[in-house]
Amino acid sequence: KNEVEQSPQNLTAQEGEFITINCSYSVGISALHWLQQHPGGGIVSLFMLSSGKKKHGRLIATINIQEKHSSLHITASHPRDSAVYICAVRHNFGNEKLTFGTGTRLTIIP
Amino acid sequence: GAGVSQSPRYKVAKRGQDVALRCDPISGHVSLFWYQQALGQGPEFLTYFQNEAQLDKSGLPSDRFFAERPEGSVSTLKIQRTQQEDSAVYLCASSLRWDRGGTAKNIQYFGAGTRLSVL
Repeated sequence: KNEVEQSPQNLTAQEGEFITINCSYSVGISALHWLQQHPGGGIVSLFMLSSGKKKHGRLIATINIQEKHSSLHITASHPRDSAVYICAVRHNFGNEKLTFGTGTRLTIIP
Repeated sequence: GAGVSQSPRYKVAKRGQDVALRCDPISGHVSLFWYQQALGQGPEFLTYFQNEAQLDKSGLPSDRFFAERPEGSVSTLKIQRTQQEDSAVYLCASSLRWDRGGTAKNIQYFGAGTRLSVL
């Protein structure tokens, strides 16, 4: 079993729909990251959070430390949101290395 | 440049050949990471530097893989006697780690990657 599990693996939705991507992890962590990867490889960090909720534009990320679960939400989805969204965890403060989920491929249809 | 730069972007190697992949982190970033991403998978950790010190190399898959960062800035990932299973995208990332006020700045900034194909 992977330390970081994401669901769904693939998600197709109509433009304007509210999107939720889930991430569960099985180990203690010091922080959780949400990243976006577009075709061609470029990875961009969206959020880093260790508790509560963060919002940036139409993106919202939440984390529940007790339940070892995080969600990434996209409101009013747009075709340009189509990408792979990856959840990654950092295990402890001393070592910054990340353990990644396999990603969720999101396709928004106009 | 302002971002993490990796070269080459694409590398085709014959099985058994040695390759060297270069990473130029963002200027001033203390931490540097190498990740390997197989097709359709999430990245997997290879190794991690703080300045010139290699603090964690637990992800290197075999002793054919070697990484260095001799002056605490540019890093090179070397793969000796490449095998077909080494074919992947190799990603480099850097982070500031701490700002002047002592606040943790652990956001990792990624390069575009080097796509290695071993034939």
